[in-house]
Amino acid sequence: ETGVTQSPTHLIKTRGQQVTLRCSSQSGHNTVSWYQQALGQGPQFIFQYYREEENGRGNFPPRFSGLQFPNYSSELNVNALELDDSALYLCASSFGVSGNTIYFGEGSWLTVV
Amino acid sequence: QKEVEQDPGPLSVPEGAIVSLNCTYSNSAFQYFMWYRQYSRKGPELLMYTYSSGNKEDGRFTAQVDKSSKYISLFIRDSQPSDSATYLCAMSGGTGFQKLVFGTGTRLLVSP
Repeated sequence: ETGVTQSPTHLIKTRGQQVTLRCSSQSGHNTVSWYQQALGQGPQFIFQYYREEENGRGNFPPRFSGLQFPNYSSELNVNALELDDSALYLCASSFGVSGNTIYFGEGSWLTVV
Repeated sequence: QKEVEQDPGPLSVPEGAIVSLNCTYSNSAFQYFMWYRQYSRKGPELLMYTYSSGNKEDGRFTAQVDKSSKYISLFIRDSQPSDSATYLCAMSGGTGFQKLVFGTGTRLLVSP
């Protein structure tokens, strides 16, 4: 167990809807990152939050947004869902902004129909 | 060309075999190298973490990094059926934040 917990574990949404995924980081970790993993692919970096600010972003459109709260938990929000957004969404926590070990949660499976 | 290349497999070996998994990369700014194991429909589990070039051993696992060749390896000794999973290499560096760049993963099957 990594101590990184995500919810919900599975969900189904309709194209055009909005979704919010939640993550609690490992105790003592102040950095949270989100990744998208399509079937048969490696995870793709979406963005990272450190001290409640987004401090790094991958090649994802603005309809992917996030929040980090004072207790370092985090949310990933995706607006205007598209069929290609169907994937495993992974939250990862670590300490500091770079160069440290990164631990993943079990993920949230999103299916867009 | 992808930043990180990894053979997707599947790689099938008998129990007890030595397994070699590899990744190549193109970004010379990468400094941190990791191997994750991912069971079906689960999150990735960190196996090995290496900074810069060199070897690191942990039980049956050995990670090697050759920055001059932009090549990393994971060796698994005395492989077990429970090692059957997808192995992902990941690396980071040069961005000022913890962006991991992953390979596509190699699926390993260890038969009894």
